[in-house]
Amino acid sequence: KNQVEQSPQSLIILEGKNCTLQCNYTVSPFSNLRWYKQDTGRGPVSLTIMTFSENTKSNGRYTATLDADTKQSSLHITASQLSDSASYICVVPRTGANNLFFGTGTRLTVIP
Amino acid sequence: DTAVSQTPKYLVTQMGNDKSIKCEQNLGHDTMYWYKQDSKKFLKIMFSYNNKELIINETVPNRFSPKSPDKAHLNLHINSLELGDSAVYFCASTTQISGNTIYFGEGSWLTVV
Repeated sequence: KNQVEQSPQSLIILEGKNCTLQCNYTVSPFSNLRWYKQDTGRGPVSLTIMTFSENTKSNGRYTATLDADTKQSSLHITASQLSDSASYICVVPRTGANNLFFGTGTRLTVIP
Repeated sequence: DTAVSQTPKYLVTQMGNDKSIKCEQNLGHDTMYWYKQDSKKFLKIMFSYNNKELIINETVPNRFSPKSPDKAHLNLHINSLELGDSAVYFCASTTQISGNTIYFGEGSWLTVV
């Protein structure tokens, strides 16, 4: 059973609009949660890492939130751009970086 | 100045062949990985090496054999390729100093026909 679930599976939005991607996890013990962006035909690139004590972290137009009590995280994208079209993957390590659980990703398409 | 580089990027080969994918990182990291991304875009770890030593060997067929000649390289050799081996294989690296951010290569698209 996958311990990291993401929703929606895919999303299409108009350029300039905002969107929110969801990640629920059951990985335990929890140390941190990561969001990666994977452009088509490319490798995943780290957007943010959130530790247990962090509720919100921003990286430009990307803002990630974490609720360790409900084991949920969200990635909010503001004023979307065409270049935001990609898969966004939620990743949760169990202990350290050597054992990672990947979500299946949300495929975001931004259209003009 | 590619941080994690993999070769080849594309590989089309026949069933039964043996092939290798090479990976090199110039970040000075001490931990390297191989991941497989299937058609559903799900990333799954295959192997993890720390300082040239195997740390994680997930349930993969023993036709897959990683080799780490030094900390900067982790190659993946696949024997007797099968149709189900078709996937994208990603090499990645990390170190404690980088805050455990994992840097991925661009992927190697393997198609077995």
